[in-house]
Amino acid sequence: DAKTTQPPSMDCAEGRAANLPCNHSTISGNEYVYWYRQIHSQGPQYIIHGLKNNETNEMASLIITEDRKSSTLILPHATLRDTAVYYCIVRAGEEYGNKLVFGAGTILRVKS
Amino acid sequence: NAGVTQTPKFQVLKTGQSMTLQCAQDMNHNSMYWYRQDPGMGLRLIYYSASEGTTDKGEVPNGYNVSRLNKREFSLRLESAAPSQTSVYFCASRLTYSGANVLTFGAGSRLTVL
Repeated sequence: DAKTTQPPSMDCAEGRAANLPCNHSTISGNEYVYWYRQIHSQGPQYIIHGLKNNETNEMASLIITEDRKSSTLILPHATLRDTAVYYCIVRAGEEYGNKLVFGAGTILRVKS
Repeated sequence: NAGVTQTPKFQVLKTGQSMTLQCAQDMNHNSMYWYRQDPGMGLRLIYYSASEGTTDKGEVPNGYNVSRLNKREFSLRLESAAPSQTSVYFCASRLTYSGANVLTFGAGSRLTVL
């Protein structure tokens, strides 16, 4: 499995966009990029995933570089409730196994 | 739609006692997982079940057993609890679509072993 590198922590002002980077320079062609977050004391929550193209849903946008070696999760208008640990994970699809391994993630602090 | 339900939410055990953490999902997912999370740490996979009737070890299986009772339920058993097993335990189930894996997690079971 490809390894990921994330900054340990980031701060963001409330109402501004939060851009969380993730480096996955050893990603393989069949591996997806997933983002989850964990708000204090709760179970992790799925945010978004992508393979090659940029993706957007009601929670966030995912920008993947053309060479796929890095990606950025964008929370367009961060609120205090977005304060959480954000995990970037890369993993192949079902045919190559089904385990997602969570690292230390990035602590995002949204401040008023 | 409840999603993934874990019981109990809190438990205190003495060293050497046994207990079972229960997990049930109502989303008709095939795969289920047990993770543990120690304070300030990321999640570590204990066991998983790719489908009913199958189980496999994850990263930290020692001291645990699991049972995939049916498609809905996946239990985690501590036969002889140790203080090192004090942790928050999360159960998850997996949905696959477009070749990607999306996990839905329960709220967690907080276990303290004295």
